[in-house]
Amino acid sequence: DAGVIQSPRHEVTEMGQEVTLRCKLISGHNSLFWYRQTMMRGLELLIYFNNNVPIDDSGMPEDRFSAKMPNASFSTLKIQPSEPRDSAVYFCASSRALTGTTGNTEAFFGQGTRLTVV
Amino acid sequence: GESVGLHLPTLSVQEGDNSIINCAYSNSASDYFIWYKQESGKGPQFIIDIRSNMDKRQGQRVTVLLNKTVKHLSLQIAATQPGDSAVYFCAETGIQGAQKLVFGQGTRLTINP
Repeated sequence: DAGVIQSPRHEVTEMGQEVTLRCKLISGHNSLFWYRQTMMRGLELLIYFNNNVPIDDSGMPEDRFSAKMPNASFSTLKIQPSEPRDSAVYFCASSRALTGTTGNTEAFFGQGTRLTVV
Repeated sequence: GESVGLHLPTLSVQEGDNSIINCAYSNSASDYFIWYKQESGKGPQFIIDIRSNMDKRQGQRVTVLLNKTVKHLSLQIAATQPGDSAVYFCAETGIQGAQKLVFGQGTRLTINP
């Protein structure tokens, strides 16, 4: 398995532009997480999905951020319009939620997208 | 002006020594805990996990200890190697069966030759 695949690896954009980050889950996983990592705030959970349904988006900074899962294996995180303070590394992670039990499984992370908004 | 960021706890150990990284969690309802390792320029990588019905779990060169009474988690790395240098994060799920994984601030481990 290729693991969680994120694209692009690096993105430099001008303030006000729309940015779309992409994530492909590991086959068979049904939970998807978007995290943001900065020096100031560490690793923050933005939103997570179970079976394509957003469960908790309380970490999304504001309405400029939106995330979707158009199918079970793919997700996008969009920032529109982007601002310099959005500059960070954005990670996507996936895991396999065990239904009917109390079990969870570990989340596997992609390599991240380093976003720079100038 | 001066930039202000997270002041990660740091731990420096000599190559070959054992290291212990500690983590405190706040939610007594947390039932699943994971240790991740993050090397520079990479995403966090799973090391070992433990469920709340256990107090110790061992892997290859790593041991995780869970003390639910004081809400404390530790990661022990035996016979450290240069490749162990990284930032280590503990993560927890707060609600039984839920998937929301919350990360601590991390500890930077440096292995000195």
